[in-house]
Amino acid sequence: DTGVSQDPRHKITKRGQNVTFRCDPISEHNRLYWYRQTLGQGPEFLTYFQNEAQLEKSRLLSDRFSAERPKGSFSTLEIQRTEQGDSAMYLCASSLGGTESYEQYFGPGTRLTVT
Amino acid sequence: GQSLEQPSEVTAVEGAIVQINCTYQTSGFYGLSWYQQHDGGAPTFLSYNALDGLEETGRFSSFLSRSDSYGYLLLQELQMKDSASYFCAVGFNTDKLIFGTGTRLQVFP
Repeated sequence: DTGVSQDPRHKITKRGQNVTFRCDPISEHNRLYWYRQTLGQGPEFLTYFQNEAQLEKSRLLSDRFSAERPKGSFSTLEIQRTEQGDSAMYLCASSLGGTESYEQYFGPGTRLTVT
Repeated sequence: GQSLEQPSEVTAVEGAIVQINCTYQTSGFYGLSWYQQHDGGAPTFLSYNALDGLEETGRFSSFLSRSDSYGYLLLQELQMKDSASYFCAVGFNTDKLIFGTGTRLQVFP
């Protein structure tokens, strides 16, 4: 399968714990995006990378959230000191970028439940 | 701020035609995209309008009017498998997408 993959698919954690999610984009895509989606809502942009450079972060992304994309390949999203409000589906997407950025390929997501 | 409004739900029968509207209050975007998302699935790209007018891709067509701050997705010859949520999204030169509120389409036999 050459699509976008995410790991884990599900994560249950207790409030206050740290969690880390991984995304492997389509190999030839240099753009990688993180979104958050809650039930009944559209995906909300969190941050994106062009190769290894993090070019934009949403104001939704508090200081407890950090994302990396070392070597411009896979990316990780870490949430520190999780809160119940962090419970959501975390989606990763990738694209060729530039004029092709409108066509983003999404992974299956990581569903986070904070208890 | 940036907002894209869609009807929350639309219902139709197999074989029919349905139009899902998207009205927006944003500017400076490059184009309007449409994504489909089945329950429990990932959003998948359907269509894109960089310019005003109609774009046709098989059974799906999408329309954009920047002067009216309006777009729509037209689904023809509806099939049961088209039951899903549909999102419009605007793209900016920063590459990010801002998604609409989403429309849940239910197709009945």
